[in-house]
Amino acid sequence: DTGVSQDPRHKITKRGQNVTFRCDPISEHNRLYWYRQTLGQGPEFLTYFQNEAQLEKSRLLSDRFSAERPKGSFSTLEIQRTEQGDSAMYLCASTVAGSNEKLFFGSGTQLSVL
Amino acid sequence: AQSVTQLDSHVSVSEGTPVLLRCNYSSSYSPSLFWYVQHPNKGLQLLLKYTSAATLVKGINGFEAEFKKSETSFHLTKPSAHMSDAAEYFCVVSDQPSGTYKYIFGTGTRLKVLA
Repeated sequence: DTGVSQDPRHKITKRGQNVTFRCDPISEHNRLYWYRQTLGQGPEFLTYFQNEAQLEKSRLLSDRFSAERPKGSFSTLEIQRTEQGDSAMYLCASTVAGSNEKLFFGSGTQLSVL
Repeated sequence: AQSVTQLDSHVSVSEGTPVLLRCNYSSSYSPSLFWYVQHPNKGLQLLLKYTSAATLVKGINGFEAEFKKSETSFHLTKPSAHMSDAAEYFCVVSDQPSGTYKYIFGTGTRLKVLA
């Protein structure tokens, strides 16, 4: 069990650029979540996958955001045409599908949009 | 829809005194409830979870929480605060019987422990 791994740890980009983040969950975990956290706030749900299927996406999420989990293992989160309001910590979590299992979180990717 | 409200954004206690962090939830079904802790520059860690077994749940580091359906509350307590408890605490609800597997976080309570 090597934990949930996220890459990169930090990303600085200019407004209008596209960025992509990667998350590697714990190997036997089939459910994967993306959250966004800004300073002083709790993590905000973005989307989640069970295996390769994206089962739910936040209605508040702009269509500039897209996530994939092509083989049911690692996942990517892409933000197109970044805006300053996208600056946040992006957190990935994984768990085993079942009832009320705990989430294991990665250390996050800190995005700064200049 | 499920939601949680953390009633205090900041709580300060003296070392050795009791801790109370308040959380109220809204759920259409019997929810699962969790408390997570986030220390500065560290990842989120599960303190405890309630999943419709015993209403008093014991977690790590001496924390416990009591599920009160009549009050729709899930407050976190600890008898005696330690300096190392200073962190951000999040109450989380999951409403899985409704068919979704989202975990919804509260806005957090920052706990400060005074020497």
